[in-house]
Amino acid sequence: GENVEQHPSTLSVQEGDSAVIKCTYSDSASNYFPWYKQELGKGPQLIIDIRSNVGEKKDQRIAVTLNKTAKHFSLHITETQPEDSAVYFCAAILGYSTLTFGKGTMLLVSP
Amino acid sequence: DSGVTQTPKHLITATGQRVTLRCSPRSGDLSVYWYQQSLDQGLQFLIQYYNGEERAKGNILERFSAQQFPDLHSELNLSSLELGDSALYFCASGGYDSTDTQYFGPGTRLTVL
Repeated sequence: GENVEQHPSTLSVQEGDSAVIKCTYSDSASNYFPWYKQELGKGPQLIIDIRSNVGEKKDQRIAVTLNKTAKHFSLHITETQPEDSAVYFCAAILGYSTLTFGKGTMLLVSP
Repeated sequence: DSGVTQTPKHLITATGQRVTLRCSPRSGDLSVYWYQQSLDQGLQFLIQYYNGEERAKGNILERFSAQQFPDLHSELNLSSLELGDSALYFCASGGYDSTDTQYFGPGTRLTVL
């Protein structure tokens, strides 16, 4: 069926290192790919999104890349800080419908 | 703070009961989306309302229903509750399309005993 696969499920890095989270999707017609950050006890918060007409988008320490041919997109966080520790979700529109979310990646940044 | 409010924050109830979750969208947003978040299923879309009308339906059980009122707040009704309905329920507000940014509320944690 239509789905979004997200890897890894957990990621531990040292402060200052880079973190990369990858997602693949099944629907070649998907055209919108947001990333959400969820801190403990809070709702998901949009941190960056990309649409299918661009291959990369950057916002300070966060970047997202999209490969439509391979149907995958990735979140890159550089110079990680302890406050980056959270669960990150990728999502995609599948079947001209609504957002389908990946299972999430728990990122732990150690000082 | 996303500007989306949800009440109550926590809800504990028994199997077979019925509960109502409430959501108020951000000022200016006409859509309300409801999601269920559980450890095994992740974040699952349930239903979307736009300006009082149902616009999209996801994996919502027949025991669950929702509505959006003229002031744009929305309620999610869960009935004949089962243990497996225990989860976090989020609403998000946004525009007409799913490609418009969705702003999530803080969620309601439902525990069914």
